Amino acid sequence: NAGVTQTPKFRILKIGQSMTLQCAQDMNHNYMYWYRQDPGMGLKLIYYSVGAGITDKGEVPNGYNVSRSTTEDFPLRLELAAPSQTSVYFCASSKGAGASGNTIYFGEGSWLTVV
Amino acid sequence: GQSLEQPSEVTAVEGAIVQINCTYQTSGFYGLSWYQQHDGGAPTFLSYNALDGLEETGRFSSFLSRSDSYGYLLLQELQMKDSASYFCAVFNQGGKLIFGQGTELSVKP
Repeated sequence: NAGVTQTPKFRILKIGQSMTLQCAQDMNHNYMYWYRQDPGMGLKLIYYSVGAGITDKGEVPNGYNVSRSTTEDFPLRLELAAPSQTSVYFCASSKGAGASGNTIYFGEGSWLTVV
Repeated sequence: GQSLEQPSEVTAVEGAIVQINCTYQTSGFYGLSWYQQHDGGAPTFLSYNALDGLEETGRFSSFLSRSDSYGYLLLQELQMKDSASYFCAVFNQGGKLIFGQGTELSVKP
């Protein structure tokens, strides 16, 4: 079972470069999320989506963009990378938000360094 | 807005019981979740409370009081492998899931 798959696992970017973190899930989940986690800190919600064609901002959306053209895929775009975006990025998915499917499944994470 | 507060760190000995508290502020509350994260790993789901009361899953239990905007995670018969970070998280009706800053649990021999 693949679950939630993120690529790449590691990446070094130069300041001002752009890149896309890929996320795919094979569980037919409606809800998908992108979080960032700085060392020793909690997870901060960047963007989330409750279904194909629907996205919404989380706590820290500046500097990022997302799209959700299919149920399976939820890529995260970093435009004009800055050192402050150095972090570990987690993609996650769930069937729903309440008792119908509240378990969140996480990808393994993508370690991004901006130099 | 939404916010969650939990202690930054807790230390306990093997075999003991530890309780990690979480208070939250949110609109449109759906439920409180708990996640475990070991160093370098992804968070993994532990429990979910939508209604007041205690939910038990093996050595772990989670409690919720909606009127007090408060919950806790109870870990019994602590083992060394329980050393990890524990996060509470709140779902709201819009599907947004917000995490607390995490509690680092250290289990000593």
